[in-house]
Amino acid sequence: GNSVTQMEGPVTLSEEAFLTINCTYTATGYPSLFWYVQYPGEGLQLLLKATKADDKGSNKGFEATYRKETTSFHLEKGSVQVSDSAVYFCALSDNTGNQFYFGTGTSLTVIP
Amino acid sequence: DAGITQSPRHKVTETGTPVTLRCHQTENHRYMYWYRQDPGHGLRLIHYSYGVKDTDKGEVSDGYSVSRSKTEDFLLTLESATSSQTSVYFCAISESERPNQPQHFGDGTRLSIL
Repeated sequence: GNSVTQMEGPVTLSEEAFLTINCTYTATGYPSLFWYVQYPGEGLQLLLKATKADDKGSNKGFEATYRKETTSFHLEKGSVQVSDSAVYFCALSDNTGNQFYFGTGTSLTVIP
Repeated sequence: DAGITQSPRHKVTETGTPVTLRCHQTENHRYMYWYRQDPGHGLRLIHYSYGVKDTDKGEVSDGYSVSRSKTEDFLLTLESATSSQTSVYFCAISESERPNQPQHFGDGTRLSIL
């Protein structure tokens, strides 16, 4: 079946530190991969996506590369800001596109 | 913004009462979804719809029913609420069934069942 595994949180970083949030997946066929961000009291917002192997999604300084050989889609940012504090979700869309599978989320807090 | 409105945003009710949550979209998208979000579980799919009067069950559909009589509205009903259904509920929409299309989310409904 399809599933997503994210690194456990919470993660606390100082401003300007490097961020990595690990995400691995299990899927049949060729899924699309997504990262979403959730700020307090809000819904999930699409951060970036990649639709095939070796694609790199990027947005607002965040990047993630679709690695089929390691079934991974790790989220990275070179220099985090306080405003990046949020919960981050990794997700995959199966071959049909009908259903998404979400990781459990990783809470990030960035301190000044 | 994806043009999704969820109502109510907050609700407190008692065990055994019926509850209906509404999701309204202005995008005319075909696919609509209901999820619940709980600590340690991420988002879990309750039901989804792929058109007017066309719905299907998700991972955690027991105790929930849905209806979609118009493209823009997708209702989630708890016929007899239980404390285990205390959660934050999110509606999402998607333009099509193509795998590379993202889902877009509403701001959620926080439901507490006492």
